[in-house]
Amino acid sequence: DIQMTQSPSAMSASVGDRVTITCRASQGISNYLAWFQQKPGQVPKRLIYAASSLQSGVPSRFSGSGSGTEFTLTISSLQPEDFATYYCLQHNSYPRTFGQGTKVEIK
Amino acid sequence: DVQLVESGGGLVKPGGSLRLSCAASGFTFGSYSMTWVRQAPGKGLDWVSSISSSSSHIYYANSVKGRFTISRDNAKNSLYLQMDSLRAEDSAVYYCAREMSYDNSGYPKNDAFDIWGQGTMVTVAS
Repeated sequence: DIQMTQSPSAMSASVGDRVTITCRASQGISNYLAWFQQKPGQVPKRLIYAASSLQSGVPSRFSGSGSGTEFTLTISSLQPEDFATYYCLQHNSYPRTFGQGTKVEIK
Repeated sequence: DVQLVESGGGLVKPGGSLRLSCAASGFTFGSYSMTWVRQAPGKGLDWVSSISSSSSHIYYANSVKGRFTISRDNAKNSLYLQMDSLRAEDSAVYYCAREMSYDNSGYPKNDAFDIWGQGTMVTVAS
């Protein structure tokens, strides 16, 4: 099984900060990786697919990069509505595996 | 609109059974593999099971293998999850999600998990 190690598990940041979240796969997954945002009580929302493609309707301050085993989600300038939990997901093989999540909180 | 709507959740005793349903609309259901993902209260996302578009390929997480059965009815645009021998640790919100489609060569498109249902809560308690 492919393990997805996401870091950090939590972070405090201020509005306007640049935020970077990393996911590391235990083996290569090409670019079969997606990023999701989830706010309390809400359904996960896909932000990025194919590691770096921006989901339609998602603000351009979100970006994804990486291939193989190292992946990054970047928020270029954190906005109040971005405080949430973020998850990566590999869908290169079964079982599908999510990262453990990164909770982005207000500093 | 593209939509997934789950139903069938509820309170069940340990060892009991539930059948979840997911009704799809707004897209060609039979062209997509589908998946179930769950989230225990206060915890992260946990993949449960997936089924290919024609039901020819089925996959389960080790934690549910032998107890849960995924199925689909393309004529009814519906996905199901039969959950037997339920345990307290199965308590979670269960989401169905559209997994992926395939190109003309049968190769999976790298565009998975784009649509999710609103979720249905399953509570296993005595």
